[in-house]
Amino acid sequence: GQQLNQSPQSMFIQEGEDVSMNCTSSSIFNTWLWYKQDPGEGPVLLIALYKAGELTSNGRLTAQFGITRKDSFLNISASIPSDVGIYFCAGQLRGAQKLVFGQGTRLTINP
Amino acid sequence: NAGVTQTPKFQVLKTGQSMTLQCAQDMNHEYMSWYRQDPGMGLRLIHYSVGAGITDQGEVPNGYNVSRSTTEDFPLRLLSAAPSQTSVYFCASSYSGWGLTNEKLFFGSGTQLSVL
Repeated sequence: GQQLNQSPQSMFIQEGEDVSMNCTSSSIFNTWLWYKQDPGEGPVLLIALYKAGELTSNGRLTAQFGITRKDSFLNISASIPSDVGIYFCAGQLRGAQKLVFGQGTRLTINP
Repeated sequence: NAGVTQTPKFQVLKTGQSMTLQCAQDMNHEYMSWYRQDPGMGLRLIHYSVGAGITDQGEVPNGYNVSRSTTEDFPLRLLSAAPSQTSVYFCASSYSGWGLTNEKLFFGSGTQLSVL
């Protein structure tokens, strides 16, 4: 099936640092999304991207839809303890009725 | 407004036992789906439904059955549990159904299943 390669798989940073993660695929996606999962909970949508080159922000989070439509990036600025969790990218192929998820990036923050 | 409700929260089964994971949503969403989450594998789609009476297979459907008799409910059945089905299961729903975008999924809080 379709695969999204998400990296890095884990990150250990100091509070206040900026964070970058990305997803790549060999397929062209119509939509890119970023979700966050807190421990013991289901993922929650952070940002949705619909156009190649689109750059969208949600507070300290900024995500971009790659020009090639095969990748997406998520940046978190000035990290705080509540940013801890697992971040997932997800893509939707044109006309598809389902999402493909990346493997996730586990973010740990040292105070 | 409860959103997406999954029961039970935790379950332990013996190999060969059957059970049903329940999922209900009160948002009148047409689209519902089941995912399993395993370490290093992300979320993998098991089955999905674009509306009542319509279901389809996802990426990893073997060993699971679903039905969608109402808009609100989308149960996942394990007919004969196997250790490979030990995982965390998430139900998710979204506003849109057939022919429309359904990317904004609302997830339940998950069911942690162990098969011994």
